[in-house]
Amino acid sequence: AQKITQTQPGMFVQEKEAVTLDCTYDTSDPSYGLFWYKQPSSGEMIFLIYQGSYDQQNATEGRYSLNFQKARKSANLVISASQLGDSAMYFCAMRVLYGNNRLAFGKGNQVVVIP
Amino acid sequence: GAVVSQHPSWVICKSGTSVKIECRSLDFQATTMFWYRQFPKQSLMLMATSNEGSKATYEQGVEKDKFLINHASLTLSTLTVTSAHPEDSSFYICSSTDRAGSPLHFGNGTRLTVT
Repeated sequence: AQKITQTQPGMFVQEKEAVTLDCTYDTSDPSYGLFWYKQPSSGEMIFLIYQGSYDQQNATEGRYSLNFQKARKSANLVISASQLGDSAMYFCAMRVLYGNNRLAFGKGNQVVVIP
Repeated sequence: GAVVSQHPSWVICKSGTSVKIECRSLDFQATTMFWYRQFPKQSLMLMATSNEGSKATYEQGVEKDKFLINHASLTLSTLTVTSAHPEDSSFYICSSTDRAGSPLHFGNGTRLTVT
């Protein structure tokens, strides 16, 4: 079974600063994908970034980058130049590639960006 | 692309009544739809996986007679909460993908309040 761990308490981040959100995972499958989603207070789930287990380079998507350390089974999200609109819950998720596309989610990280 | 439309966005109902939530894939064929439930300040928990034209697969602990799922077409999946009780009050959100291996795209969720 897959397991996603996000243990950081709620975080306050100064606007324009960078923030790192920790995520560790556990799986016995060699082929998997890691995702980060953002959930603002309105509730929708917004896909941010994806990292495949065989990807050689860390994924980047605009201000989002993923610090993928496969041996340590961690997939931390880095948000650079934080904006007020980045205030939200952030969920790390994993999917086994030969499964049925189901995602297992971590408990989430609350981020509040302050001016 | 890959838009999932979910309705209603919120609903208040009396205890004992049934509520139907619809999820439509607007620009792709959703062979599989995932239904999640989220309590306040908690993570998303997978309730069931519905496949077009067949019975849904429910996660352990989810009552299939209470949460009826129908996936009669490639663009529509419905979740009916039958004989709702206050403890069913939650945020329900569906998701699907346009192709295997791609990120899941989520509906905007339905906030159900049972009085």
